[in-house]
Amino acid sequence: NAGVTQTPKFRVLKTGQSMTLLCAQDMNHEYMYWYRQDPGMGLRLIHYSVGEGTTAKGEVPDGYNVSRLKKQNFLLGLESAAPSQTSVYFCASRGPVSYEQYFGPGTRLTVT
Amino acid sequence: QQQVKQSPQSLIVQKGGISIINCAYENTAFDYFPWYQQFPGKGPALLIAIRPDVSEKKEGRFTISFNKSAKQFSLHIMDSQPGDSATYFCAALHYGQNFVFGPGTRLSVLP
Repeated sequence: NAGVTQTPKFRVLKTGQSMTLLCAQDMNHEYMYWYRQDPGMGLRLIHYSVGEGTTAKGEVPDGYNVSRLKKQNFLLGLESAAPSQTSVYFCASRGPVSYEQYFGPGTRLTVT
Repeated sequence: QQQVKQSPQSLIVQKGGISIINCAYENTAFDYFPWYQQFPGKGPALLIAIRPDVSEKKEGRFTISFNKSAKQFSLHIMDSQPGDSATYFCAALHYGQNFVFGPGTRLSVLP
């Protein structure tokens, strides 16, 4: 039981490049979340999903897209990376009844 | 407004002392209030949580106090230990769907 895993752990992009971050969970959770964490700003919600095939915008969705084609996976895409997207990205999941979120280990992204 | 305020930004406590972190919110649509603990290089982990129909919840050395009328809640860490040194985040769940986090408090417990 791996919980929530994130791929990759580190990535350096040049401005304008694209990439996809993968989040996978093996707990059969309905809800999945993508956050970014910046110093002094806590975790800010980018997008979330309440079930397979659904997505919704969070607090800071601009510049990001997501997809939830399979229940266990939640993908975060950056179509044209900008230096302002340099951050640590966390994925989390939870079940429909319990409100407990389980977080992945994070992806550190640097955009130069 | 979906915002959670948190104070202090940083906190230094002697071993054995009490650590207190406070949070406040405005939105009455919040229905669950968790606290997360995060160590450097790791993802946050749920520490303790409370629902708004309860005024206090205790788990070991950790206690949440919740004041619904004042829209405030706080985390108390009794007998603080150096191993408690971490960043703590309060959060609130909006309509059972998405979480809003406070900016975090960096706690240092001196030996």
